[in-house]
Amino acid sequence: DIQMTQSPSSLSASVGDRVTITCRASQSVTSWLAWYQQKPGKAPKLLIYKASILESGVPSRFSGSGSRTEFTLTISDLQPDDFATYFCQLYTSFGQGTKLEMK
Amino acid sequence: QVHLQESGPGLVRPSETLSLTCSFSGDFMSTYYCSWVRQAPGKALEWIGHAYYSGNTDYNPSLKSRVTISVDTAKNQFSLELTSVTAADTAVYYCARGIVGSTRYYYYMDVWGKGTTVTVSS
Repeated sequence: DIQMTQSPSSLSASVGDRVTITCRASQSVTSWLAWYQQKPGKAPKLLIYKASILESGVPSRFSGSGSRTEFTLTISDLQPDDFATYFCQLYTSFGQGTKLEMK
Repeated sequence: QVHLQESGPGLVRPSETLSLTCSFSGDFMSTYYCSWVRQAPGKALEWIGHAYYSGNTDYNPSLKSRVTISVDTAKNQFSLELTSVTAADTAVYYCARGIVGSTRYYYYMDVWGKGTTVTVSS
């Protein structure tokens, strides 16, 4: 089974900042990594799939990159609505999540 | 536009069977996977399993002995059964539409239900 290690587990930032979240896979696989945003009490929302393809309707300040075992989610120019928890997913494995909090 | 809605009991007794249904509307069946994911309080997402409309299924190895996912195309529903539940099965359960492709790891979930909270307690 693939294991996903996501870091950091939490992150403090300010509106306007640029932040990066990383996911590492336990084995080298294809680039079918997805990123989700989850707000308290809500279902996850798909942001990015295949490592870098933005889901329709997702703001362009979100971007994804990476391949093989290391993947990143970058949020440029943080907005108040972006403070949430982010999860990566590769096949049937999810990362542990990164809670993005306002500094 | 696709819409998913989970339904089922919010409280299940230990050792009993958890049964949930996901009702969907819109474009769903023939090319998508019917997926279930859960999230224990304060924890990460955990993939439970998925079923294809043809009946093919795949389950999380850690739950495989207790899980059944089935699809009822006539009713536009798919269901989850989890037997012999314990307090560790207390979680929010989500159904989701799984996008799959020709390569093995081509799988992600683009539409989710709002989730339903299931508590296992006597």
